[in-house]
Amino acid sequence: DAKTTQPTSMDCAEGRAANLPCNHSTISGNEYVYWYRQIHSQGPQYIIHGLKNNETNEMASLIITEDRKSSTLILPHATLRDTAVYYCIVRVPGGYNKLIFGAGTRLAVHP
Amino acid sequence: DAGVIQSPRHEVTEMGQEVTLRCKPISGHDYLFWYRQTMMRGLELLIYFNNNVPIDDSGMPEDRFSAKMPNASFSTLKIQPSEPRDSAVYFCASSLGTGQLSNTEAFFGQGTRLTVV
Repeated sequence: DAKTTQPTSMDCAEGRAANLPCNHSTISGNEYVYWYRQIHSQGPQYIIHGLKNNETNEMASLIITEDRKSSTLILPHATLRDTAVYYCIVRVPGGYNKLIFGAGTRLAVHP
Repeated sequence: DAGVIQSPRHEVTEMGQEVTLRCKPISGHDYLFWYRQTMMRGLELLIYFNNNVPIDDSGMPEDRFSAKMPNASFSTLKIQPSEPRDSAVYFCASSLGTGQLSNTEAFFGQGTRLTVV
């Protein structure tokens, strides 16, 4: 699986959009970008994934650059409950492909 | 479905004792993963199973660790003998191997916090 680079930490004001970047310059053509998050004391939780088109679901939006070397996870209206560590992972899809977690970005949402 | 269920949620044991962590995956999922999380090393994949068969145990730290999956609805991770450096949060996750992409994501349990004193 390709490696990813994320900032160690970020801050965001409650109600504002949180934009979390991820670099994955060595991503392969068949690899998708996945995002998970881990709220304190809980197991990681799937957020969203995409190949090359922008994706949106009830939790977040995912913007992938045209060259696919980087992406941004957007939480449109961050709340205090979005405070968590966010992991960007690139992998070939399928439940048989193990998830390898990096250090992630620690997002702190403040009032 | 109740999700992935792990037990116990917390375990405190003395060095040298045997520890058994338990996991019940989501019904119908054919892959099961065991992870360990520490402040120093983050989330590490220890071992994973497909249809109850261990596929990759390269992440298991040493022979003191063993994992089994006797049937599709139950798995154990055993540490014998336990050491203080085994203190960590252990997560179990399950997933569907194939299917629609939206259905093949990994679902994690709440974890077992192990403290070895």
